[in-house]
Amino acid sequence: AQSVTQLGSHVSVSEGALVLLRCNYSSSVPPYLFWYVQYPNQGLQLLLKYTSAATLVKGINGFEAEFKKSETSFHLTKPSAHMSDAAEYFCAVTLGGFQKLVFGTGTRLLVSP
Amino acid sequence: SQTIHQWPATLVQPVGSPLSLECTVEGTSNPNLYWYRQAAGRGLQLLFYSVGIGQISSEVPQNLSASRPQDRQFILSSKKLLLSDSGFYLCAWRLDSLNTIYFGEGSWLTVV
Repeated sequence: AQSVTQLGSHVSVSEGALVLLRCNYSSSVPPYLFWYVQYPNQGLQLLLKYTSAATLVKGINGFEAEFKKSETSFHLTKPSAHMSDAAEYFCAVTLGGFQKLVFGTGTRLLVSP
Repeated sequence: SQTIHQWPATLVQPVGSPLSLECTVEGTSNPNLYWYRQAAGRGLQLLFYSVGIGQISSEVPQNLSASRPQDRQFILSSKKLLLSDSGFYLCAWRLDSLNTIYFGEGSWLTVV
């Protein structure tokens, strides 16, 4: 069955530093993979998605992720963190022919000045 | 463009009381609709999804039920709330022609 694992429930970086949020997936079929961001007390906003086209996917707010089949990973990166990036980030994989999304447990990104 | 509305945004209910959370999608037809729950310190759990009017699939046994009385309306209900029903409930939608699920703003439920 498809699933995702997010390593690290909390990640702390300084403003201007590289952001790296890790996601590994398990899927018996080629997956569709997603990163969503959740700001406090809000719903989820799509950051980017991989749907079997280019392996390097660029999203909103300067984020990007690379699909690596050999490593079963889809890590999220941003070269330089902003204070406004502080939020919770969720990795997700499709299940059941895209009827459903299965989410990881989330990673809270903390950005310090 | 499509929009999703979810209400109420915040709800405090006593144990044993009923629940009704409502979600509507505008600007599209025949969407797939979803209810997710986010409990404190945990990820998102899919509760129900629907591919059409009156068609509801339940993902986990629980104290909640869902209904889809109209094409773009999805309702989450309970006859008697439990403390463990507290959490952040998110409605979402998707079209078969799109490979992305879009979420509403969520509803905070606190059962006291």
